Amino acid sequence: ETGVTQTPRHLVMGMTNKKSLKCEQHLGHNAMYWYKQSAKKPLELMFVYNFKEQTENNSVPSRFSPECPNSSHLFLHLHTLQPEDSALYLCASSQTGTGDTEAFFGQGTRLTVV
Amino acid sequence: AQSVTQPDIHITVSEGASLELRCNYSYGATPYLFWYVQSPGQGLQLLLKYFSGDTLVQGIKGFEAEFKRSQSSFNLRKPSVHWSDAAEYFCAVGSNQAGTALIFGKGTTLSVSS
Repeated sequence: ETGVTQTPRHLVMGMTNKKSLKCEQHLGHNAMYWYKQSAKKPLELMFVYNFKEQTENNSVPSRFSPECPNSSHLFLHLHTLQPEDSALYLCASSQTGTGDTEAFFGQGTRLTVV
Repeated sequence: AQSVTQPDIHITVSEGASLELRCNYSYGATPYLFWYVQSPGQGLQLLLKYFSGDTLVQGIKGFEAEFKRSQSSFNLRKPSVHWSDAAEYFCAVGSNQAGTALIFGKGTTLSVSS
């Protein structure tokens, strides 16, 4: 398997549930990202991990908790979400944690909060 | 701060006609510029990128883009559109500064009519 893989592809969860999104990259990259894509809004950068260290957190609510155990895996732990958190969550990776290299994206997880 | 503007939210082009999608950026130094395409329910795929050198860059699927520093623009073009080009197109800007990541525009939705 190559590229960036996200699981699950679709997730429906209640506001009191706890779930996790998983991302795995097979590209040998050192940086991984979480983006949120809502309807009619630009892609919102949520978190950046560079060599497993979090280098950016764009004022994301604490109900979203990232985890990066190694350079190949990235998780987004979700708890007590709100309906407005429903969106497509995209994981990406790049060689470095800067914006001068292209990012490779997974297919995303479509999250619906009910 | 970096920013990207895609003035056109939605464009419809006849199959076989030429296409130009506009992108304007704001960045103090030389930017790193990208165009991505997203099909429904999918992640983003890189079409082309500009880092330096020749201001006209060629990408995949017959797309090209021209960097114009004087106009702060990086417009995407294709001489003859195919129905399969219908998708959402995102322009992005980055830098080589540590702790940065790609900043995306809001996207332009392309529809292709027969």
